[in-house]
Order: sequence, then structure tokens, then C-alpha cells
Amino acid sequence: AQKVTQAQTEISVVEKEDVTLDCVYETRDTTYYLFWYKQPPSGELVFLIRRNSFDEQNEISGRYSWNFQKSTSSFNFTITASQVVDSAVYFCALSESSGYSTLTFGKGTMLLVSP
Amino acid sequence: GAGVSQSPSNKVTEKGKDVELRCDPISGHTALYWYRQRLGQGLEFLIYFQGNSAPDKSGLPSDRFSAERTGESVSTLTIQRTQQEDSAVYLCASSTRGTTRSYEQYFGPGTRLTVT
Repeated sequence: AQKVTQAQTEISVVEKEDVTLDCVYETRDTTYYLFWYKQPPSGELVFLIRRNSFDEQNEISGRYSWNFQKSTSSFNFTITASQVVDSAVYFCALSESSGYSTLTFGKGTMLLVSP
Repeated sequence: GAGVSQSPSNKVTEKGKDVELRCDPISGHTALYWYRQRLGQGLEFLIYFQGNSAPDKSGLPSDRFSAERTGESVSTLTIQRTQQEDSAVYLCASSTRGTTRSYEQYFGPGTRLTVT
């Protein structure tokens, strides 16, 4: 069965600090997809990134970067120079290619960025 | 363009009553998913629709929960004889496909259900 673990329940940083959110996953599939979603206080989930299991290239988008390592089954998310607007709950999720693409979510990491 | 919409945004009901939650997916999205998010928890998958059929109902927690979808559009999640443990935010998502390739799921704002 697939599983996603986000061991950090809450992280507090001061603005401009860099922060890394950890995600470890388990799956028996060789083809799968990994996602990060942001859930701000408004509640609506915002898609951030999707990676497939065959693409281990790290990705950078502005202040956001993702480090995918199959060897350690990890898909970590780093925010550089954090801002107050980054305060949210961040969810890592996994979808296997077999089945119906339902997402298995981690429990989320709450990030609090203070001024 | 219009995103996924859900109604009502908030619902307070008494234990034992039935409730219906509605989801309007993005037009043209054939796949529709329902998830439940309990306070401080991640999202739990409930049910998946491809078109009007539900090939995966594995996440429905009990026979008090049911869902339907009509016209490859609107979906309704019904909870009968609500219990306090049903209190949660119910999120709906839609995507262009839901079979062997995993397309991005777009989420609605959710319905916050409180059972008193």
C-alpha cells in the first residue's frame, strides 16, 4: 500500500530564512507521481508541483525548489527567503499509475513565517 | 475560468440527520474525486468518478456514505444519519483524466461539516 510521511507537523521560521519541508513516500509501483499542495488559511488547496518517478531532476520555480531522490524515497520542498505569505499547511501526495490516480496525502506540515 | 465549486461552504447539522454536499467540477473534467479532511489531518480519499460511474469507492468509511454523479458534471455526496465523527471538511477535486496517467487535480474550497 502506498503511504506518505511528513514527519514535521509544524515549523516556525522568521522571514527571509530558508526552510525545507520533508516528505518520504512508500509505494510498490515503479511508475508514480509525487505532488506538493499548499493550503493557505483560506482552506483551498493550491497545486504547486507534480513530478513523475522517471524524472529525478531537481526543479526550481522562483523561491521554491524540490529535491526528488528515489534512493531515499524522498521528495523534499525548500522555500528560499521565506515570506509571511508562505504561511500555510503544505501537503505532499503520491499517486500510483495503477489504479485510478487517487492521491494519498501526508498529514501536512504547518509552516508559520513570522515578520 | 470557473474553478471547482462546492456548496454549501458550511453546514451545521444535528446528529442523526442526513446531509447532502454538492460539487460542481471544472467543465470538461471527466474525473471527479471526493476527499475528507479531519481537523489537523491530511486528506483521506473517499470516492472517485470517471464520467458518471464510480470505479473506486474504497474510501467510503461506511454504508452511511454514498455519492452520485449525473451528466458527467455535478456530484452529490450524501451522509445519512450523521455522527459526530463525520465532522470534517469535505473536498472535491476534478481533473481531465483519472486512469493510467495522473493529471493535476484541481480542488474546490470545501464544505465544512459540523455535526452537533
